Amino acid sequence: NAGVMQNPRHLVRRRGQEARLRCSPMKGHSHVYWYRQLPEEGLKFMVYLQKENIIDESGMPKERFSAEFPKEGPSILRIQQVVRGDSAAYFCASSPPTGTDTQYFGPGTRLTVL
Amino acid sequence: SQKIEQNSEALNIQEGKTATLTCNYTNYSPAYLQWYRQDPGRGPVFLLLIRENEKEKRKERLKVTFDTTLKQSLFHITASQPADSATYLCALGMDTGRRALTFGSGTRLQVQP
Repeated sequence: NAGVMQNPRHLVRRRGQEARLRCSPMKGHSHVYWYRQLPEEGLKFMVYLQKENIIDESGMPKERFSAEFPKEGPSILRIQQVVRGDSAAYFCASSPPTGTDTQYFGPGTRLTVL
Repeated sequence: SQKIEQNSEALNIQEGKTATLTCNYTNYSPAYLQWYRQDPGRGPVFLLLIRENEKEKRKERLKVTFDTTLKQSLFHITASQPADSATYLCALGMDTGRRALTFGSGTRLQVQP
């Protein structure tokens, strides 16, 4: 059973470009979460999605950031017009619809903004 | 203000000893608490979950306690090994409906052979 998959693992963008981060949850998991980890800091919750629905986006910056989890395909975290402060590790986690509060994390995407 | 505090300094212990890591929180009322392990350049790996009505949980060499009066969780690794060297994160879950986890900044454990 493959774990949570994220790609790309490393992404380099110049200021003002767009970054697209992809996350495929574990098989059977319909809940996806995105977290951001800045250097030397803990993980910060960004958004929680179920298929075709955003359930909780209380941690998402109000501008430039968006997330989706379509009926088919991976979840996408999109950052428009990236700035240097967006440089961080972005982790996706998934969980099944019921039965556990445990979240299973992917390997992360390390975004570097030049 | 709300805070989750883990030992910011690295914990160095000898192989075979018990490592004890602390997670203290302020102005939260978590429904459950989870511990994760994170190695450099990798994602967190789930270790244990303990609920507010549980005092203690064990899994192999791992033990976690949860004291809602002290607002503290202790994470123990017995018979520690160099392979246990990693950063350990505690995460609070506020309620099963919301699902977002709130993480501490982690404690780095170094087990010396």
